Amino acid sequence: NAGVTQTPKFRVLKTGQSMTLLCAQDMNHEYMYWYRQDPGMGLRLIHYSVGEGTTAKGEVPDGYNVSRLKKQNFLLGLESAAPSQTSVYFCASSVPGQGTDTQYFGPGTRLTVL
Amino acid sequence: GDSVTQMEGPVTLSEEAFLTINCTYTATGYPSLFWYVQYPGEGLQLLLKATKADDKGSNKGFEATYRKETTSFHLEKGSVQVSDSAVYFCALSRKNTDKLIFGTGTRLQVFP
Repeated sequence: NAGVTQTPKFRVLKTGQSMTLLCAQDMNHEYMYWYRQDPGMGLRLIHYSVGEGTTAKGEVPDGYNVSRLKKQNFLLGLESAAPSQTSVYFCASSVPGQGTDTQYFGPGTRLTVL
Repeated sequence: GDSVTQMEGPVTLSEEAFLTINCTYTATGYPSLFWYVQYPGEGLQLLLKATKADDKGSNKGFEATYRKETTSFHLEKGSVQVSDSAVYFCALSRKNTDKLIFGTGTRLQVFP
């Protein structure tokens, strides 16, 4: 049982390049989330999904797109990377509940945009 | 809107010292409250939680009590260890949303 895994662990992009971050979970969780972590700002929600085929915007969605074609995978895309998107990105998953359930986090992807 | 405020770090302690990390929140209704911990180079993991007023969450010697009257959820541990060095995040989740709102995190450094 691997839990939540993220690919890649590190990436360096040039401004304007595109990339996709992959999140996979093997816990059969319905809900999945993408966060970014910046110094002094905690974690902020980018997008989330409440089930296969559905996505929704979080607190800071601009410049990102997501897809949830399979229940176990949640992809985060950057179409045209900008230096402001330099951050550590975390994926998480959870069982749908009533706001009381634990979220399980992946190990993170450190992205640098030059 | 909903928000979480944590004390700024870093908090630097000697081994076996008493730890308090303050957390207060602003939210409508009765949110669930969480403490997550992030060890160096890792993702966040749940440390403890409380889902209603006066509940006490506890795990690994850490405790926090949901205080509605002071809108607080302070994290405490009686005797810290070097292995407790990490960043601690307070968070809330409103009922029926499953979305977490995090504080900015507090770094704890414990020296032998």
